[in-house]
Parts: sequence; C-alpha cells; structure tokens
Amino acid sequence: EPEVTQTPSHQVTQMGQEVILRCVPISNHLYFYWYRQILGQKVEFLVSFYNNEISEKSEIFDDQFSVERPDGSNFTLKIRSTKLEDSAMYFCASSSGTGVGYDEQFFGPGTRLTVL
Amino acid sequence: SQQGEEDPQALSIQEGENATMNCSYKTSINNLQWYRQNSGRGLVHLILIRSNEREKHSGRLRVTLDTSKKSSSLLITASRAADTASYFCATGLLLTGANSKLTFGKGITLSVRP
Repeated sequence: EPEVTQTPSHQVTQMGQEVILRCVPISNHLYFYWYRQILGQKVEFLVSFYNNEISEKSEIFDDQFSVERPDGSNFTLKIRSTKLEDSAMYFCASSSGTGVGYDEQFFGPGTRLTVL
Repeated sequence: SQQGEEDPQALSIQEGENATMNCSYKTSINNLQWYRQNSGRGLVHLILIRSNEREKHSGRLRVTLDTSKKSSSLLITASRAADTASYFCATGLLLTGANSKLTFGKGITLSVRP
C-alpha cells in the first residue's frame, strides 16, 4: 500500500542552524501538507501546498519557514534559523485531491527535530 | 476557537470490551477524520466521515457524526491489546479546491489490558 515517507527520522541541530526536512508524498497525490506536534501538545497545521505554490499557511509558518517541491517526488520543509521552540515532531501529509471537502490526509511517520 | 476536543482524556478497558471515544467541535466542518498514534510514532489514518454522513463502519470501527450537536464518536468493538494507542479526531475544513486543513484535538489515550 502506498505511503508517505519522511527523512530523517530524527534530526538534531544547533540553534541558529538551517534544517531541511524531506518528505515523499504518495505518488498520485496532488495536495501536500506539513504539520507539527510539540511534545505533549496538539498536532498543528503549518502549511498546505498545491500546484507548486502555498495554498494556505498558519501563523506559525513565518518567514523562517519555506516549502519546496524540488522535483516530481520530494516535498521539503526548510527552517532557516532554528530556535529552541522549533523542537517538535514534524509530519508531512498528502491527499489525492479527488474528494472535494472529503479528502483523506495520509501522514508520514514524522521527523523528530531537536534543537539544542 | 477550539476544535476537535476529545473525551475522555484517558480510557482503560479490558481486552474484548468495546471502547467509545467522543469528540466535540465548535465550527462548521466538511469532514471529520480519526487517527491513531502509537507512542512517539506517526499518525495512522483510521476513517473519514463526511459532514453529510451520520454513521460509517470500517472493520471493528464505527464512527458517528452529529452535526447538530457538533460531535462525533469512535467505537472500537472487541478491543485488543494492540489497540493501545492515542486516538485523535481531526476536523477538516475545505480551503480552496480540494485543499483542506485539519484541526486536531489533544487526543485520547486508550489502554487495553490483556
């Protein structure tokens, strides 16, 4: 069964460093998302992406964050200058776009980002 | 506004019993999706119910949706120890096209005792 994959599974970085989190969405899906979950808190929406541009972003998704689909399969989240509070599990998700208003979003296993 | 608030926060049952988890929300939705998360792992999609549906089944799972009460329930029948996990409801709101945003609750911790 097709699934969303994410790499790396765990990333440790120093405050102020740039990180790139990678995702390979399900191959025929058209909509891509990033969410994050700070330890012990709710899963929060960050951004959605369609047709090579951002469709919607949350207040969390400030200028330090960017997303890109560099080729036909990868979808990346870049954090330009990491802060301690960016430590979280980051989930990539994708949906097919065939069910308007009722598309299932399938999530990857997550990347645990630890900022020291 | 807060969406997708589940209750109870924690539930402990014996293997073989049924587990019922509830979710309430405050604003209009297009769909509601339930997910499972094993400790520190990814989110596994369980089931989606559309806003115009009242009940849906998938294997041992039964989901109901009452849009007038803005609530949903997830029933797991004949629970197994392997069902031990956190369960989240997520309300889906259509943004543009088929693009939608999920808003998650805090989750319910289910423990199934062997």
